Amino acid sequence: DTGVSQDPRHKITKRGQNVTFRCDPISEHNRLYWYRQTLGQGPEFLTYFQNEAQLEKSRLLSDRFSAERPKGSFSTLEIQRTEQGDSAMYLCASSFGVNTGELFFGEGSRLTVL
Amino acid sequence: SQKIEQNSEALNIQEGKTATLTCNYTNYSPAYLQWYRQDPGRGPVFLLLIRENEKEKRKERLKVTFDTTLKQSLFHITASQPADSATYLCALTGGGNKLTFGTGTQLKVEL
Repeated sequence: DTGVSQDPRHKITKRGQNVTFRCDPISEHNRLYWYRQTLGQGPEFLTYFQNEAQLEKSRLLSDRFSAERPKGSFSTLEIQRTEQGDSAMYLCASSFGVNTGELFFGEGSRLTVL
Repeated sequence: SQKIEQNSEALNIQEGKTATLTCNYTNYSPAYLQWYRQDPGRGPVFLLLIRENEKEKRKERLKVTFDTTLKQSLFHITASQPADSATYLCALTGGGNKLTFGTGTQLKVEL
């Protein structure tokens, strides 16, 4: 069991560039979540997949953000035209089952927008 | 509006003492509540889940209580050790499938 893995762990980009993060969940987990966390705050929900279907998106998620989970396996989170306010840790988590139980988090992808 | 409140001030305690962290919530009717530990630069790690019909749950040196009348959960670490120093997050579902987190409380256990 390799746990949830995220790539890259760190990304520094210039404002206006596009960035993409990848998450590989635990293989038997059907649910996948993306969260964003800034310093001193708890993780903030962005979006949720059950298998390949994106079932919920935060109203805070602007149209510059898009997430996919093709074939219900790995997921990508793309941010277009990055802004300095996008600087944060992007956390992926997965879980198994029909109810929102224990989440298994990856180590996160830290984004710095200059 | 829905709120989850945890003490934003760091909690400093001496090794061997019991640490007690508080999580208060408003405008939620959660079926269960979870506690996570987060170390700097790392993802949160699940510790305990307590359901609305459970008053108390224990795991090794950890104990969680859940009072749905007071809308409060208490998280206790007995015989605390420096290795327990971390940020502790409470989280709950407010309907739907998303888990909403509090801001976390930083615990520092000193020798």
